[in-house]
Formats: sequence, C-alpha cells, structure tokens
Amino acid sequence: EAGVAQSPRYKIIEKRQSVAFWCNPISGHATLYWYQQILGQGPKLLIQFQNNGVVDDSQLPKDRFSAERLKGVDSTLKIQPAKLEDSAVYLCATSPPGLAGFEQYFGPGTRLTVT
Amino acid sequence: GEDVEQSLFLSVREGDSSVINCTYTDSSSTYLYWYKQEPGAGLQLLTYIFSNMDMKQDQRLTVLLNKKDKHLSLRIADTQTGDSAIYFCAEIQTGANNLFFGTGTRLTVIP
Repeated sequence: EAGVAQSPRYKIIEKRQSVAFWCNPISGHATLYWYQQILGQGPKLLIQFQNNGVVDDSQLPKDRFSAERLKGVDSTLKIQPAKLEDSAVYLCATSPPGLAGFEQYFGPGTRLTVT
Repeated sequence: GEDVEQSLFLSVREGDSSVINCTYTDSSSTYLYWYKQEPGAGLQLLTYIFSNMDMKQDQRLTVLLNKKDKHLSLRIADTQTGDSAIYFCAEIQTGANNLFFGTGTRLTVIP
C-alpha cells in the first residue's frame, strides 16, 4: 500500500512570496490533516478535513494560510504572503474511515525555508 | 489544556534499555501515542495505549501509563543504533480526533 505522498520535499522562498504544498492521501482515507512542525517542536494541527469538508481549522492563520481538498482526495495548503516565522516542516497525515484521529499515517513532509 | 511535556535529550549505549518519559495535563485523554521521527522523514506510529490500560507490550517496546500522575513512558529494550531518532508522545482527548504532540525527545544510541 502506497503511503501519504507530499510535494515538494523542500522549498525556499523569500518573505512575502507565495507557496503551495500538495498532499496525496492513502487511497480510501477520508480524513486528512495538515500539521506545522517548527524546528525543535512537536507538530501542531493547522486544519482537518473529512472528505472535502473542513472539520477543524481553528489553528489556521486564515489571513495568510488557506487549504482545500477538492473531490475529497488530494489537498493543497497555501501560504500567501509568507513570513519568516512560517519556516517549518509541513506534514500531511491521513486516517482510514472510522478511525479518524486514532490511526494517523504521516507523509514525509515539506520543509519550507522563508528568507 | 493540552500541554504535553517531554525531556529533550536522552543518550544510551547500544544494548541498554531506553526509557522516554512524557507528562500530560488533560485528564480526559483517551488514547496516548508514541511516534518516531527519523531525520528527514515523517512520523511513524510506534504504539498506542488506551487510557483504561496501564501497560502495553509490543516486542521490544513497553508502554506504561500512570493515569493518576498523568505520566506515560516508553521503554525500548536492547536499544540499537537504528533506534536513534526523535520520539514524540501525543494524546487524543475525549470528543476530539486530532493529536496533541509533545516537544519530542531526541534519543541518541552510542555504539
């Protein structure tokens, strides 16, 4: 079974530029999460989708971050404009039906550096 | 609150046992997890324990839960160099279905 795929793996941008990350979940996984992991910290949830609907986006800085999950499969996370403090690894995770939250499978992450 | 705390570093010699500790503050936690993160990789679920259990063993891994003290530990027997990684404790609280992670413990195994 293929795992959670993310791209790109690395991205370097200047502050005030825009960036987008992509996540392809494990086939059949209905729940999808985006986490932000700042260096030296544990991951923190940004947004959670159930199919193509948002379940929780309370920690998403909506003035600059947006995310969508069209057709309930792939998801994109966008930052516009980026700030220095957005430098982090952005992790996508998915859960199979009926096990939302209890079993989360993580992708390798996208490491963003904002200069 | 959902504070989850871990010590930052642990070094052990190859073949010894490692014990990684975690404390959490939310007594409504239902499941508690241990994840492993190797350099440049995502998080790998190692094991989890339901809050009504006090111990779970899975091969070289033993999880102990002291719910009264809100303390969780992960013991790795016969630690190998391949166990070098960052270990995260995480919890799910009642009514929620997202994870709250600790700060991670970097385990270094000395050959």
